[in-house]
Amino acid sequence: DVKVTQSSRYLVKRTGEKVFLECVQDMDHENMFWYRQDPGLGLRLIYFSYDVKMKEKGDIPEGYSVSREKKERFSLILESASTNQTSMYLCASSFTPDSYEQYFGPGTRLTVT
Amino acid sequence: KQEVTQIPAALSVPEGENLVLNCSFTDSAIYNLQWFRQDPGKGLTSLLLIQSSQREQTSGRLNASLDKSSGRSTLYIAASQPGDSATYLCAVMDSSYKLIFGSGTRLLVRP
Repeated sequence: DVKVTQSSRYLVKRTGEKVFLECVQDMDHENMFWYRQDPGLGLRLIYFSYDVKMKEKGDIPEGYSVSREKKERFSLILESASTNQTSMYLCASSFTPDSYEQYFGPGTRLTVT
Repeated sequence: KQEVTQIPAALSVPEGENLVLNCSFTDSAIYNLQWFRQDPGKGLTSLLLIQSSQREQTSGRLNASLDKSSGRSTLYIAASQPGDSATYLCAVMDSSYKLIFGSGTRLLVRP
């Protein structure tokens, strides 16, 4: 079974802090994705990566950056957390961009106070 | 710009009923369509994926259909059970390999 794990289920941070959200997949998938999910807005793509050290902006990249130093690990970085970044963050991975399913991690609920 | 709509937003049915969830999308240039299940406070579980060249996929009591030309997909759940209660999300993969999600249908199956 594909397993996508996220470093924390719940996280509380203060405004201005630097926040790291880690995602690890164990199926040698090429592609990894970060989404945020908000009530009434659904899931929105923040960043994605098709290969190590490669990244592309999604629909809402402002305020975020990412790092992919190893194939299995994709990190989302909030350089200076703000209250409007309080959300559920979901990581996903897939084998190829177009033909295969995206598998999701359990999510990290981040609260910025 | 691709938009995905799911109707109804919420559905409550008695146990044992067969039910249909609807998903529509505005741009037929898609690679695939995926149905997910999400339990409260949890991540997404993939249920079915239909490639753009396919018409339907089945898994157990679930059957998903795709009519790309009309921009529609349905998820059919047979003999519903209380354990089916969850939010069901549909997503299409657009021409730039991005998944575009609908806002979901919240299903409650009453015992």
